[in-house]
Amino acid sequence: GAVVSQHPSWVICKSGTSVKIECRSLDFQATTMFWYRQFPKQSLMLMATSNEGSKATYEQGVEKDKFLINHASLTLSTLTVTSAHPEDSSFYICSASLPSTDTQYFGPGTRLTVL
Amino acid sequence: TQLLEQSPQFLSIQEGENLTVYCNSSSVFSSLQWYRQEPGEGPVLLVTVVTGGEVKKLKRLTFQFGDARKDSSLHITAAQTGDTGLYLCAGAFRAGNMLTFGGGTRLMVKP
Repeated sequence: GAVVSQHPSWVICKSGTSVKIECRSLDFQATTMFWYRQFPKQSLMLMATSNEGSKATYEQGVEKDKFLINHASLTLSTLTVTSAHPEDSSFYICSASLPSTDTQYFGPGTRLTVL
Repeated sequence: TQLLEQSPQFLSIQEGENLTVYCNSSSVFSSLQWYRQEPGEGPVLLVTVVTGGEVKKLKRLTFQFGDARKDSSLHITAAQTGDTGLYLCAGAFRAGNMLTFGGGTRLMVKP
């Protein structure tokens, strides 16, 4: 149980384009999903907390207009990187938590490369 | 700022050796999780500890939660090459709250 999927697994795009990443909880309903960014050989950095039916809460330094998060249902959250630039290239990982628990289950990640 | 310090950052050992990874904070955790991550993949949950003094075992891995719930350790007995990876501790300082991650321990087990 507690499986989280992410799509796509990897994406290469041109600078200036927008990229959407989907995060789905496959066998449970997640009222809260989280989006992280990970640079090579580093730990995870929380970007934002996504709550179903409400606006996402962004961490300090994360531009909400650049990283658009939508959590329209209890099983799906999306992260859109708008007007992507090479510095946005990174490994993006989502997670979902079971209601009333702290444990998070992670998706397999999305490798974004902006040329 | 609620910080979670993880040590060591890097560890390179021979197969068969034992090792311990530490996770420390000055604040009390509601719960703490340990994850293992391989390159290009998402972290995989190993264990969640909730009760002070709790000890959990997962085959050759032993997880301990400090009595005061401010620290935790992961001990691997007789490491194998398949244990190679990035080990992450993550704590929640309030129930249902976001996780704060440690800096990670990159473990390499050589044959």
